[in-house]
Amino acid sequence: DTGVSQNPRHKITKRGQNVTFRCDPISEHNRLYWYRQTLGQGPEFLTYFQNEAQLEKSRLLSDRFSAERPKGSFSTLEIQRTEQGDSAMYLCASSRDRGSNKQYFGPGTRLTVT
Amino acid sequence: GIQVEQSPPDLILQEGANSTLRCNFSDSVNNLQWFHQNPWGQLINLFYIPSGTKQNGRLSATTVATERYSLLYISSSQTTDSGVYFCAGTSSNTGKLIFGQGTTLQVKP
Repeated sequence: DTGVSQNPRHKITKRGQNVTFRCDPISEHNRLYWYRQTLGQGPEFLTYFQNEAQLEKSRLLSDRFSAERPKGSFSTLEIQRTEQGDSAMYLCASSRDRGSNKQYFGPGTRLTVT
Repeated sequence: GIQVEQSPPDLILQEGANSTLRCNFSDSVNNLQWFHQNPWGQLINLFYIPSGTKQNGRLSATTVATERYSLLYISSSQTTDSGVYFCAGTSSNTGKLIFGQGTTLQVKP
């Protein structure tokens, strides 16, 4: 257990439905990251928060994706009108904003779109 | 461009053997880290190693930043070492990680 939690661990949804994932980072970590990992690939960066501010978004993050971190603690990632290509593992990581950028990952949410 | 390349892509070992995994990275990549992903998908940060050498039990890592490569050594491998090993580095002030494609290790009993 790295101290980063994610819920749900698994989600199966039908194409066109909306889904929301939650990430709770390590409590003293100011930085929070979302990554997406497909089978056989390394994780790919999606977006980054420093406290409650979303400071960077990847071009992978289409307008169907939105992420929030309203109080600088937990974060949510919502996917609207899911497509089969959204099927992947969604990973959350957190780190301190000073010193090293050693990132700690949660267990991930595995999304299957049927 | 930003590149993180790992070799070999796959490795099969007999329990007790030693191995070396390599990571080459481009000029724009910093703050090198090594991760182990277990069969259930959990990523564990093994080392934060922008330069120099660190050891943790049977694992050690060395990064030669001037030559843009890092090595992960696994000694006396165990079946629980199986999984995918990723190296990753940052490419901007935000600290977002750029991952290599990984090395899939299988340790046979």
